[in-house]
Amino acid sequence: DGGITQSPKYLFRKEGQNVTLSCEQNLNHDAMYWYRQDPGQGLRLIYYSQIVNDFQKGDIAEGYSVSREKKESFPLTVTSAQKNPTAFYLCASAGKGGNTIYFGEGSWLTVV
Amino acid sequence: SQQGEEDPQALSIQEGENATMNCSYKTSINNLQWYRQNSGRGLVHLILIRSNEREKHSGRLRVTLDTSKKSSSLLITASRAADTASYFCATEPAGSGNTGKLIFGQGTTLQVKP
Repeated sequence: DGGITQSPKYLFRKEGQNVTLSCEQNLNHDAMYWYRQDPGQGLRLIYYSQIVNDFQKGDIAEGYSVSREKKESFPLTVTSAQKNPTAFYLCASAGKGGNTIYFGEGSWLTVV
Repeated sequence: SQQGEEDPQALSIQEGENATMNCSYKTSINNLQWYRQNSGRGLVHLILIRSNEREKHSGRLRVTLDTSKKSSSLLITASRAADTASYFCATEPAGSGNTGKLIFGQGTTLQVKP
């Protein structure tokens, strides 16, 4: 099946730990995105990448890092510098020249 | 930055009724999109309307865009219980260079009672 796979669905992080959220797509899309969603809120852009080995900060990049070594993969690391990481994280992708963005099913991150 | 503001924040209707949600935005746009999100799930794309379009239909969905007022509305006709979800508008700002960067509103939570 074609789509975007995020893992894990649920993740717990201790204070001071870095955690990495996985995002894989088999849609052959060039662009990939990471959004954060807080309860009852809209989505805010963390990072995006339009091509392999290149990525740009979004509106709330502080405390996060990404890599884009392969077209299919765009992992997000939530570092200990992110002071309020508890949220729902959504990965998305879009084809070249396309405006429609396709989303994964999201990952819940909770700090314990 | 939150570009879109949606109204109402929550809407509760009976099955069979129509549901109308509104979205306002602040800057010029290339297009405006509507997405649906079931609780705890990812977003699903519903419809895209370009800045030079005024109205678009897709099944039971009707979207209008008024660029002079910087506003859009989503109408769901003959609603069903399965339409219960949160609905988000998202804008692609003009001059964003085809990056696909979208700015989302805070959403309208729709409950359709059977």
